[in-house]
Amino acid sequence: DQQVKQNSPSLSVQEGRISILNCDYTNSMFDYFLWYKKYPAEGPTFLISISSIKDKNEDGRFTVFLNKSAKHLSLHIVPSQPGDSAVYFCAAHHSGGSNYKLTFGKGTLLTVNP
Amino acid sequence: NAGVTQTPKFQVLKTGQSMTLQCAQDMNHNSMYWYRQDPGMGLRLIYYSASEGTTDKGEVPNGYNVSRLNKREFSLRLESAAPSQTSVYFCASTGSGYTIYFGEGSWLTVV
Repeated sequence: DQQVKQNSPSLSVQEGRISILNCDYTNSMFDYFLWYKKYPAEGPTFLISISSIKDKNEDGRFTVFLNKSAKHLSLHIVPSQPGDSAVYFCAAHHSGGSNYKLTFGKGTLLTVNP
Repeated sequence: NAGVTQTPKFQVLKTGQSMTLQCAQDMNHNSMYWYRQDPGMGLRLIYYSASEGTTDKGEVPNGYNVSRLNKREFSLRLESAAPSQTSVYFCASTGSGYTIYFGEGSWLTVV
C-alpha cells in the first residue's frame, strides 16, 4: 500500500508562473517531510523540508506547505524557471522508524516552458 | 567535496552473471542505503546499513546482497542477474539529520 502519493505524474507550467506540486500521505506517524529534485542522469538532490510541527517552510523561490489534518503537503515554486524542469519526489519520515529511512512518492515530472 | 560516489556508472550484464556495485561516502555518515528507481515506481529501498557492521532489508531485497565494508563503503551485489533487475541504482547516506544524500546513480541493464 502506497503511503506517500504523488497523484500527478507530470505538470507543465509557463516560465514566471507558479508551480504547485502536491503530495498526499496516509500514515499519521510521519513526522518529517522532504522534497527532492532529480535531473536526468543525476542523483536526487535535497530541496526543502518541513517538520510536522510546522505548516510552512520557505527557502527562496521554494515554499512547502503542510496540512496535517488533510495529510497533504505541497511544494510551491515562484517564479518557475526553465532550470526547475525535473522530477520532484516527496518523501516522509516515520516517527517510529529507525535510522531515518524515508518513504518516497513516485515523483512528478515538472516541465517549465520558456 | 565528493559526497557519495558510486561505480560503475553504466553496466550491461547477461542474465545469470554477477556483479558488485561499489559505493563510498566521505561525509562521515553512519547510515547508508541502496535504492533502485524504475519508471513509474519512484525510489524503492533495497537494503540499508544503520551503522558499520549492520545491514537490514528494505522494501525490495530479493536477488541482492550487501556488505558494509567499513564506515565509508557499502556495496551491493547481484549474484545472478535477472532482466527484472534492469534499473537505476542509487547509493545514499545520512548523518545525524533526516536528509538523505544520494550518489549520481548506476545504470544497469540485464539482457
